[in-house]
Amino acid sequence: SQTIHQWPATLVQPVGSPLSLECTVEGTSNPNLYWYRQAAGRGLQLLFYSVGIGQISSEVPQNLSASRPQDRQFILSSKKLLLSDSGFYLCAWSGAGGSLQPQHFGDGTRLSIL
Amino acid sequence: SQQGEEDPQALSIQEGENATMNCSYKTSINNLQWYRQNSGRGLVHLILIRSNEREKHSGRLRVTLDTSKKSSSLLITASRAADTASYFCATVANSGGSNYKLTFGKGTLLTVNP
Repeated sequence: SQTIHQWPATLVQPVGSPLSLECTVEGTSNPNLYWYRQAAGRGLQLLFYSVGIGQISSEVPQNLSASRPQDRQFILSSKKLLLSDSGFYLCAWSGAGGSLQPQHFGDGTRLSIL
Repeated sequence: SQQGEEDPQALSIQEGENATMNCSYKTSINNLQWYRQNSGRGLVHLILIRSNEREKHSGRLRVTLDTSKKSSSLLITASRAADTASYFCATVANSGGSNYKLTFGKGTLLTVNP
């Protein structure tokens, strides 16, 4: 069966520090991968998605970047965190090809910027 | 920007009662999905309804879709305390080529009191 792992679960970082959040998927190949951010009491905002290794699409201009160095690995990074980067970050995967693929989410990383 | 908007924002009911949540959206969709999120966790896919379907059932869940009104509803029958969670609708539309994107609403927080 397919599983998705996201870590760390919680992270407290000072303003201006770098960030690296990692997400890996097991049990499937060539998945579509997604990074979302969820602010308190709000829905999910799509940040990045990837349909293949090295292929990254950015949805909103921001202080973050994403990379996909391997088929089932998706990394969210920042060189210098801002206070506004605080939030709950969720990674998800879906099967490739077609609109009828549900997305499967990791358990998220709660990021607090001090 | 958010496509789906859930209503109500919060709903509190007693165990055994039915819970109905509504979702409205603005543009054409390929399908609409409902997800559930327990506090501090990732989202779990519940049900998908295609744009040419009007109603779909899965266990205690019943979803309707009215494309002329651009609205959907999620009914949970005979609710249980374990149904307490946030529920999100997500519209699916083509984002170019064979790629599809989910756009989430802000969610309805359902509390089922024992």
